[in-house]
Amino acid sequence: EDQVTQSPEALRLQEGESSSLNCSYTVSGLRGLFWYRQDPGKGPEFLFTLYSAGEEKEKERLKATLTKKESFLHITAPKPEDSATYLCAVQGGYNFNKFYFGSGTKLNVKP
Amino acid sequence: GAVVSQHPSWVICKSGTSVKIECRSLDFQATTMFWYRQFPKQSLMLMATSNEGSKATYEQGVEKDKFLINHASLTLSTLTVTSAHPEDSSFYICSAVPRTSGRIEQFFGPGTRLTVL
Repeated sequence: EDQVTQSPEALRLQEGESSSLNCSYTVSGLRGLFWYRQDPGKGPEFLFTLYSAGEEKEKERLKATLTKKESFLHITAPKPEDSATYLCAVQGGYNFNKFYFGSGTKLNVKP
Repeated sequence: GAVVSQHPSWVICKSGTSVKIECRSLDFQATTMFWYRQFPKQSLMLMATSNEGSKATYEQGVEKDKFLINHASLTLSTLTVTSAHPEDSSFYICSAVPRTSGRIEQFFGPGTRLTVL
């Protein structure tokens, strides 16, 4: 069964305390893995697309990496404004266009 | 670039009425648009996939007669919730995939909060 699992469900960090979020998937025929940021009451904001194992993407304090079974979103020296829910999605499987979303990791960065 | 808008951003209606939500890609043409529903503290639940000029494909368990989707152009899709009931209250979000060759990312609108009294 095609599935995307994110961990942890919630993460509390002190400002400046680096950490990583995990996204593991079992979708066959991966076309792409996507990371989004979602603030309360808003739609998801696109962050990264990763296409193949070994690929890495960076944006400010965020760095996304991909292996054959999972992806990590590394947050370096986070700030309170990084607090949000981070969603991972995978495109693949039998339905060419469909995204399989994880349940998200809610990140809270304390000043 | 890749901006998607939704209108209205929130709506309150009485039970039994119909509500239309618009989703527009503002700076790109979209081959495919998607409609999602999100409950509090939960992830996105795909309702249907919409391609311009063709009928929408609904996910299992989503009533197509209740949630009418019209993809009128490459920049506009609408979701109409017919005969709305309190259990239809939710956060509805659309997304669009750019028509540009090679792009597969979905870009999301800001969402529409529907409250049915």
